[in-house]
Amino acid sequence: NAGVTQTPKFQVLKTGQSMTLQCAQDMNHNSMYWYRQDPGMGLRLIYYSASEGTTDKGEVPNGYNVSRLNKREFSLRLESAAPSQTSVYFCASSPEAEREAFFGQGTRLTVV
Amino acid sequence: SQQGEEDPQALSIQEGENATMNCSYKTSINNLQWYRQNSGRGLVHLILIRSNEREKHSGRLRVTLDTSKKSSSLLITASRAADTASYFCAREETSGSRLTFGEGTQLTVNP
Repeated sequence: NAGVTQTPKFQVLKTGQSMTLQCAQDMNHNSMYWYRQDPGMGLRLIYYSASEGTTDKGEVPNGYNVSRLNKREFSLRLESAAPSQTSVYFCASSPEAEREAFFGQGTRLTVV
Repeated sequence: SQQGEEDPQALSIQEGENATMNCSYKTSINNLQWYRQNSGRGLVHLILIRSNEREKHSGRLRVTLDTSKKSSSLLITASRAADTASYFCAREETSGSRLTFGEGTQLTVNP
């Protein structure tokens, strides 16, 4: 049982490049989340999807777009990467409201 | 703004001592959750307390919630070196199903 799988684990981008971070869960969860974590800080919510077909902005959505492709997959896209987007990105899922979230191992992104 | 605070930011104790971490928040919540993060790893869920609960236990963990003060605390009893990690509180807000994290407490347990 893989849980929440994020790809890639590491990525270096040049300023202005685009890329998509992939996230897939095999637990049949309804809700999925994307967070970023900067050094020494907590997690900030970028976007979330309460159920298949819906997405909502979190605390820091600027510069990002998301797609809830199906119930399993929730991708995060950076259209034009900036150095300020250098961070560790975590994807998470939870079955429904009032339940714990399960996290992937993170994607370490550096924008130079 | 993350709409909440945790304190202390860092805590260093000796093995066998108890560790207490606090979390405050500003919004209305369905529940409050505590997570642990080992360095460089993803977060692992520890315990969830619902808004109508006041106290919950799980092994050496004790969590309290005071919705009138909008605050929660996590107590780890008889700490071990392996408890060294960052601990985060997360609020599931009543508006939508946003799960919002605090900035965390870095706990160091010295052998």
